[in-house]
Amino acid sequence: DADVTQTPRNRITKTGKRIMLECSQTKGHDRMYWYRQDPGLGLRLIYYSFDVKDINKGEISDGYSVSRQAQAKFSLSLESAIPNQTALYFCATSDRADEQYFGPGTRLTVT
Amino acid sequence: GEDVEQSLFLSVREGDSSVINCTYTDSSSTYLYWYKQEPGAGLQLLTYIFSNMDMKQDQRLTVLLNKKDKHLSLRIADTQTGDSAIYFCASNSGGSYIPTFGRGTSLIVHP
Repeated sequence: DADVTQTPRNRITKTGKRIMLECSQTKGHDRMYWYRQDPGLGLRLIYYSFDVKDINKGEISDGYSVSRQAQAKFSLSLESAIPNQTALYFCATSDRADEQYFGPGTRLTVT
Repeated sequence: GEDVEQSLFLSVREGDSSVINCTYTDSSSTYLYWYKQEPGAGLQLLTYIFSNMDMKQDQRLTVLLNKKDKHLSLRIADTQTGDSAIYFCASNSGGSYIPTFGRGTSLIVHP
């Protein structure tokens, strides 16, 4: 089984809808992250969490919120989706230092 | 904040060497990473180098670090079609252990 799983893998939704993307990990890591990837822009950090009680905004948090339900679960919500939130979303985990482990990604399309 | 730059595309012939370059701005970066993203997948750590090292070799991969110029490179020897992917350079600043990613270099390997 994969160490980091994301659901759904693909989602098409309409403008104004609320969407939740979920991430689960079996690595036992405290640190979890949400990124979005856009062509030519690389990865941009949306939110990160260093433990269950710790939530921090990344460089592009506007329009997004997160919930850390447990050490293993970190969900990303779009309260009212808009077309420029169409992107590939990645969840990642890490231990205190170095390597990040990425999920397979969720492709979100907002029409 | 930290800025990481890399060229967007590189095309090579199978069997040749590939060199992907990256520059970063934060001289306090402690870890520098190379991640690989294959189509439809998340990022996977290829290799990393500590800032007190000049070079690291791992089978076909050679990482060179020039701290003075803040320049990192990844050389792939005997490039294969399976090496076709997007390669991300990332830099880890200070004690936060949150990497800053470059935009990614798409490596295309021609038979």
